[in-house]
Formats: sequence, structure tokens, C-alpha cells
Amino acid sequence: ELKVEQNPLFLSMQEGKNYTIYCNYSTTSDRLYWYRQDPGKSLESLFVLLSNGAVKQEGRLMASLDTKARLSTLHITAAVHDLSATYFCAAGTGANSKLTFGKGITLSVRP
Amino acid sequence: DVKVTQSSRYLVKRTGEKVFLECVQDMDHENMFWYRQDPGLGLRLIYFSYDVKMKEKGDIPEGYSVSREKKERFSLILESASTNQTSMYLCASRRDGNSPLHFGNGTRLTVT
Repeated sequence: ELKVEQNPLFLSMQEGKNYTIYCNYSTTSDRLYWYRQDPGKSLESLFVLLSNGAVKQEGRLMASLDTKARLSTLHITAAVHDLSATYFCAAGTGANSKLTFGKGITLSVRP
Repeated sequence: DVKVTQSSRYLVKRTGEKVFLECVQDMDHENMFWYRQDPGLGLRLIYFSYDVKMKEKGDIPEGYSVSREKKERFSLILESASTNQTSMYLCASRRDGNSPLHFGNGTRLTVT
């Protein structure tokens, strides 16, 4: 059974600094997704990573996938308050597979 | 833009009632999903469907059933609601396995 782990569950970040958060999964997975959720809102797709070594960037966020290590990272460059949210990763295997989510990491950016 | 519409934003039901949660997507997506979200537990998959009339159990299907008679509609049914089914329910759809999920706004269900 595929398990997805994110840690830490909460991260306080200082404005302007760089951070990396991690997503580990337990069995072979060939696709990894990152989502963002603001308080009281639904989830919004950030990145879709479909192959080993895939790297995607959007603004201050960069996501990568290492399928051999069963690890995805989300790197934050020069954190700003607008990035405060909960970030989920989800993994799946195959085109019609279920997606298993991690518990999410809540990021809080302080001045 | 993809729109995933959940019929109710808030719902209050009594223990033992049969509850229907409806989800409609307007982009001809193949796959549809039902998750529940609880504090500290993240999103847990209840059921998903990769085609009309097809359904697959997720990680926590007990106490739930689903129906997908038409491609655009995926219904979640609580046969006999219990208090431990109080939760936020999220419906999502995607075009195929290489595409991201698009989520509805959620239904917050309270069972008393």
C-alpha cells in the first residue's frame, strides 16, 4: 500500500529566506503532484511531476522528483507572506490509479 | 477553466439518515474522486472512478458507496450516516492520469 509522508507538519519561515520541504513515498510511484490549500479554501494544483528527474518552477517555488529515492522536494526561494498556506503532495502509479495524499505541511511566513 | 461543483457547501444530517453528496464537472473528465479531509489526517480517498459506471475503492470506503451513471456526475452516498462521518468532503476530477486533480469547494457535513 502506498504511503506518503510529509514533514514537518508545520514550518515557520522567515521572510526572505530559502526553505525546502520534503515528500517521501513508500512504494514505486511514477507521478507526484503538489497542491496548495489556503484556510477555508479548496486545493489548487501547483505542479505535476511525471518522470524521474522532473523539475518544475513557478515563481518562488520549484519542485523536483527523484523516483529512485522516492522523494520529491519543494524549494522555496526568498519566502514571502503570500506563500503562507498548507502544501500537500500526492503520489500515484499508473494512468488510472488512485492518488494518495500526504498529511500536508502548513507554512507560515513571518516578517 | 474547469469547474467542479459540489451541490452543498454545508449539510447537517441526523444519525441513520441516508445522505447524498453530488459532484458535477463540466470538462468531460474521465476520472473523478471523493476524498474526506480531517484535521491532522490530510486527505483520505474514499472512492474513485476512471470511467462511467466504473468505481474503485479507495483507502476508507467503509460506510460509503458511489454512483457514476453519467460521465459528468459522481455521487457519494452515506447509506446510514454516523457521527464519525462528520467531515469535509472534497470531490475532484482530472482529464487523465497525467493531469492534475481539479477540486470542488467541498461539502462540510455534520452528522448529529
